[in-house]
Amino acid sequence: QVQLQESGPGLVKPSETLSLTCTVSGGSISNYYWSWIRQPPGKGLEWIGYIYYSGSTNYSPSLKSRVTMSVDTSKNQFSLKVSSVTAADTAIYYCARVASDGNNWFDPWGLGTLVTVSS
Amino acid sequence: EIVMTQSPATLSVSPGERATLSCRASQSVSSHLVWYQQKPGQAPRLLIYGASTRATGVPARFSGSGSGTDFALTISSLQSEDFALYYCQQYNNWPYTFGQGTKLEIK
Repeated sequence: QVQLQESGPGLVKPSETLSLTCTVSGGSISNYYWSWIRQPPGKGLEWIGYIYYSGSTNYSPSLKSRVTMSVDTSKNQFSLKVSSVTAADTAIYYCARVASDGNNWFDPWGLGTLVTVSS
Repeated sequence: EIVMTQSPATLSVSPGERATLSCRASQSVSSHLVWYQQKPGQAPRLLIYGASTRATGVPARFSGSGSGTDFALTISSLQSEDFALYYCQQYNNWPYTFGQGTKLEIK
Protein backbone atom coordinates (compact mmCIF):
# COMPACT_ATOMS: atom_id res chain seq x y z
CA GLN A 1 0.00 0.00 0.00
CA VAL A 2 1.49 3.28 -1.12
CA GLN A 3 2.07 5.85 1.61
CA LEU A 4 3.27 9.44 1.35
CA GLN A 5 5.00 11.57 3.96
CA GLU A 6 5.70 15.28 3.73
CA SER A 7 8.74 16.80 5.44
CA GLY A 8 10.31 20.22 5.72
CA PRO A 9 10.51 23.34 7.88
CA GLY A 10 7.33 24.33 9.66
CA LEU A 11 8.28 28.01 9.79
CA VAL A 12 9.47 30.15 6.90
CA LYS A 13 10.21 33.88 6.93
CA PRO A 14 8.43 36.24 4.54
CA SER A 15 10.19 36.68 1.19
CA GLU A 16 12.13 33.43 1.65
CA THR A 17 11.62 30.09 -0.12
CA LEU A 18 9.44 27.32 1.23
CA SER A 19 10.88 23.85 0.57
CA LEU A 20 9.11 20.56 1.15
CA THR A 21 9.83 16.95 0.26
CA CYS A 22 7.41 14.07 -0.13
CA THR A 23 8.73 10.55 0.42
CA VAL A 24 6.84 7.71 -1.24
CA SER A 25 6.92 4.29 0.42
CA GLY A 26 5.27 0.98 -0.38
CA GLY A 27 5.53 1.53 -4.11
CA SER A 28 7.62 3.09 -6.85
CA ILE A 29 7.45 6.72 -7.84
CA SER A 30 7.85 5.62 -11.45
CA ASN A 31 5.05 5.75 -13.99
CA TYR A 32 2.90 8.13 -11.96
CA TYR A 33 2.13 11.81 -11.67
CA TRP A 34 2.59 13.34 -8.22
CA SER A 35 0.94 16.45 -6.92
CA TRP A 36 1.04 19.12 -4.26
CA ILE A 37 -2.12 20.59 -2.77
CA ARG A 38 -2.45 23.11 0.03
CA GLN A 39 -5.12 24.15 2.50
CA PRO A 40 -4.91 27.49 4.34
CA PRO A 41 -6.16 27.28 7.92
CA GLY A 42 -9.94 27.05 7.96
CA LYS A 43 -10.18 27.27 4.19
CA GLY A 44 -10.59 24.99 1.20
CA LEU A 45 -8.15 23.05 -0.93
CA GLU A 46 -5.94 24.52 -3.66
CA TRP A 47 -4.11 22.46 -6.28
CA ILE A 48 -0.52 23.70 -6.69
CA GLY A 49 0.72 21.50 -9.51
CA TYR A 50 2.02 18.09 -10.48
CA ILE A 51 5.21 16.43 -11.63
CA TYR A 52 5.66 13.25 -13.63
CA TYR A 53 8.34 10.79 -12.51
CA SER A 54 10.29 11.78 -15.64
CA GLY A 55 10.40 15.38 -14.43
CA SER A 56 7.79 17.08 -16.61
CA THR A 57 5.63 19.52 -14.68
CA ASN A 58 2.36 21.42 -14.77
CA TYR A 59 1.68 24.25 -12.34
CA SER A 60 -1.42 26.17 -11.38
CA PRO A 61 -1.42 29.56 -13.15
CA SER A 62 -1.97 31.35 -9.85
CA LEU A 63 1.34 30.06 -8.46
CA LYS A 64 3.32 29.29 -11.60
CA SER A 65 5.75 32.20 -11.26
CA ARG A 66 6.84 31.11 -7.78
CA VAL A 67 6.66 27.30 -7.86
CA THR A 68 9.26 24.71 -8.77
CA MET A 69 8.80 20.95 -8.46
CA SER A 70 11.46 18.30 -8.84
CA VAL A 71 11.73 14.54 -8.51
CA ASP A 72 14.45 12.17 -7.31
CA THR A 73 13.59 8.66 -8.44
CA SER A 74 16.62 7.15 -6.70
CA LYS A 75 15.19 8.28 -3.35
CA ASN A 76 11.53 7.81 -4.30
CA GLN A 77 10.94 11.46 -3.46
CA PHE A 78 9.55 14.58 -5.06
CA SER A 79 9.86 18.14 -3.86
CA LEU A 80 8.17 21.53 -3.86
CA LYS A 81 9.68 25.00 -3.69
CA VAL A 82 7.63 28.18 -3.38
CA SER A 83 9.63 31.38 -3.58
CA SER A 84 8.96 34.85 -2.18
CA VAL A 85 6.45 33.58 0.36
CA THR A 86 3.99 35.77 2.24
CA ALA A 87 1.52 35.12 5.01
CA ALA A 88 -0.95 34.04 2.33
CA ASP A 89 1.21 30.96 1.75
CA THR A 90 0.58 29.74 5.30
CA ALA A 91 -1.18 26.43 4.86
CA ILE A 92 -1.17 22.71 5.36
CA TYR A 93 0.72 21.30 2.39
CA TYR A 94 -0.26 17.86 1.16
CA CYS A 95 1.45 15.63 -1.33
CA ALA A 96 -0.63 13.12 -3.23
CA ARG A 97 -0.49 10.67 -6.10
CA VAL A 98 -2.46 11.43 -9.22
CA ALA A 99 -4.62 8.42 -10.05
CA SER A 100 -3.40 8.15 -13.64
CA ASP A 101 -2.86 10.22 -16.74
CA GLY A 102 -6.18 11.78 -17.63
CA ASN A 103 -7.73 10.77 -14.32
CA ASN A 104 -6.47 13.71 -12.36
CA TRP A 105 -7.84 13.01 -8.95
CA PHE A 106 -5.67 12.43 -5.92
CA ASP A 107 -5.27 9.17 -4.06
CA PRO A 108 -3.63 8.54 -1.70
CA TRP A 109 -2.62 11.68 0.17
CA GLY A 110 0.06 12.30 2.75
CA LEU A 111 -0.96 13.43 6.21
CA GLY A 112 0.07 16.99 5.41
CA THR A 113 2.48 19.40 7.01
CA LEU A 114 1.70 22.86 8.34
CA VAL A 115 3.92 25.62 7.04
CA THR A 116 3.63 28.99 8.70
CA VAL A 117 5.06 32.10 7.09
CA SER A 118 6.06 34.54 9.78
CA SER A 119 9.04 36.61 10.85
CA GLU B 1 -10.65 28.43 -14.23
CA ILE B 2 -13.71 26.40 -13.34
CA VAL B 3 -15.33 27.46 -10.08
CA MET B 4 -16.86 24.71 -7.98
CA THR B 5 -19.64 25.74 -5.60
CA GLN B 6 -20.81 23.43 -2.85
CA SER B 7 -24.05 23.76 -0.94
CA PRO B 8 -24.97 24.00 1.77
CA ALA B 9 -21.90 25.12 3.67
CA THR B 10 -23.14 23.20 6.70
CA LEU B 11 -25.70 20.41 6.77
CA SER B 12 -27.19 19.18 10.04
CA VAL B 13 -28.62 15.67 9.89
CA SER B 14 -29.52 13.06 12.47
CA PRO B 15 -27.78 9.65 12.50
CA GLY B 16 -29.68 7.13 10.41
CA GLU B 17 -31.13 9.79 8.14
CA ARG B 18 -30.23 10.52 4.54
CA ALA B 19 -27.95 13.39 3.55
CA THR B 20 -27.56 14.95 0.14
CA LEU B 21 -24.67 17.31 -0.61
CA SER B 22 -24.54 19.39 -3.78
CA CYS B 23 -21.72 20.56 -6.01
CA ARG B 24 -22.12 22.83 -9.01
CA ALA B 25 -19.52 23.67 -11.66
CA SER B 26 -19.33 27.04 -13.40
CA GLN B 27 -19.13 25.17 -16.73
CA SER B 28 -19.52 21.58 -17.79
CA VAL B 29 -17.02 19.10 -16.41
CA SER B 30 -18.73 16.10 -18.01
CA SER B 31 -18.48 13.31 -15.41
CA HIS B 32 -14.98 14.30 -14.36
CA LEU B 33 -15.79 14.90 -10.74
CA VAL B 34 -14.64 13.35 -7.48
CA TRP B 35 -15.71 13.56 -3.86
CA TYR B 36 -13.43 13.47 -0.85
CA GLN B 37 -14.13 13.10 2.84
CA GLN B 38 -11.93 14.89 5.36
CA LYS B 39 -11.97 14.40 9.12
CA PRO B 40 -10.23 16.73 11.56
CA GLY B 41 -6.48 16.31 11.52
CA GLN B 42 -6.61 13.86 8.62
CA ALA B 43 -5.88 14.04 4.91
CA PRO B 44 -8.76 13.94 2.47
CA ARG B 45 -9.93 10.45 1.53
CA LEU B 46 -11.20 9.63 -1.94
CA LEU B 47 -14.84 8.52 -1.90
CA ILE B 48 -16.20 8.82 -5.44
CA TYR B 49 -14.57 9.27 -8.85
CA GLY B 50 -16.05 9.66 -12.28
CA ALA B 51 -19.02 11.32 -10.54
CA SER B 52 -20.56 8.00 -9.51
CA THR B 53 -17.96 5.25 -8.99
CA ARG B 54 -17.15 4.38 -5.41
CA ALA B 55 -13.48 4.10 -4.54
CA THR B 56 -12.13 0.88 -3.10
CA GLY B 57 -13.40 0.23 0.40
CA VAL B 58 -16.05 2.94 0.41
CA PRO B 59 -19.34 1.72 1.90
CA ALA B 60 -22.33 1.30 -0.36
CA ARG B 61 -24.29 3.93 1.56
CA PHE B 62 -22.23 6.54 -0.31
CA SER B 63 -23.41 7.28 -3.83
CA GLY B 64 -22.60 9.95 -6.36
CA SER B 65 -24.69 11.26 -9.21
CA GLY B 66 -24.82 13.96 -11.84
CA SER B 67 -23.00 15.12 -14.94
CA GLY B 68 -22.29 18.37 -16.69
CA THR B 69 -22.57 21.07 -14.06
CA ASP B 70 -24.70 19.60 -11.25
CA PHE B 71 -23.61 16.81 -8.95
CA ALA B 72 -24.70 15.25 -5.71
CA LEU B 73 -23.23 13.03 -3.02
CA THR B 74 -25.83 11.06 -1.11
CA ILE B 75 -25.25 9.17 2.11
CA SER B 76 -28.24 6.91 2.57
CA SER B 77 -28.15 6.25 6.31
CA LEU B 78 -25.71 8.35 8.26
CA GLN B 79 -23.33 6.65 10.62
CA SER B 80 -21.41 8.45 13.33
CA GLU B 81 -18.18 8.18 11.35
CA ASP B 82 -19.72 10.00 8.38
CA PHE B 83 -19.85 13.37 10.10
CA ALA B 84 -17.00 15.19 8.42
CA LEU B 85 -16.10 17.70 5.74
CA TYR B 86 -16.80 16.80 2.12
CA TYR B 87 -15.14 18.34 -0.91
CA CYS B 88 -15.82 17.98 -4.61
CA GLN B 89 -13.09 18.42 -7.22
CA GLN B 90 -13.26 18.66 -11.00
CA TYR B 91 -10.58 17.17 -13.20
CA ASN B 92 -12.04 18.00 -16.59
CA ASN B 93 -10.03 21.17 -17.04
CA TRP B 94 -6.66 22.32 -15.81
CA PRO B 95 -6.19 23.85 -13.27
CA TYR B 96 -8.05 21.28 -11.21
CA THR B 97 -10.29 22.99 -8.71
CA PHE B 98 -12.08 22.12 -5.50
CA GLY B 99 -15.29 23.26 -3.93
CA GLN B 100 -15.16 25.08 -0.61
CA GLY B 101 -16.57 22.11 1.21
CA THR B 102 -19.72 21.07 3.05
CA LYS B 103 -19.53 20.34 6.75
CA LEU B 104 -21.85 17.48 7.68
CA GLU B 105 -22.69 17.78 11.35
CA ILE B 106 -24.81 15.86 13.80
CA LYS B 107 -28.24 17.31 14.37
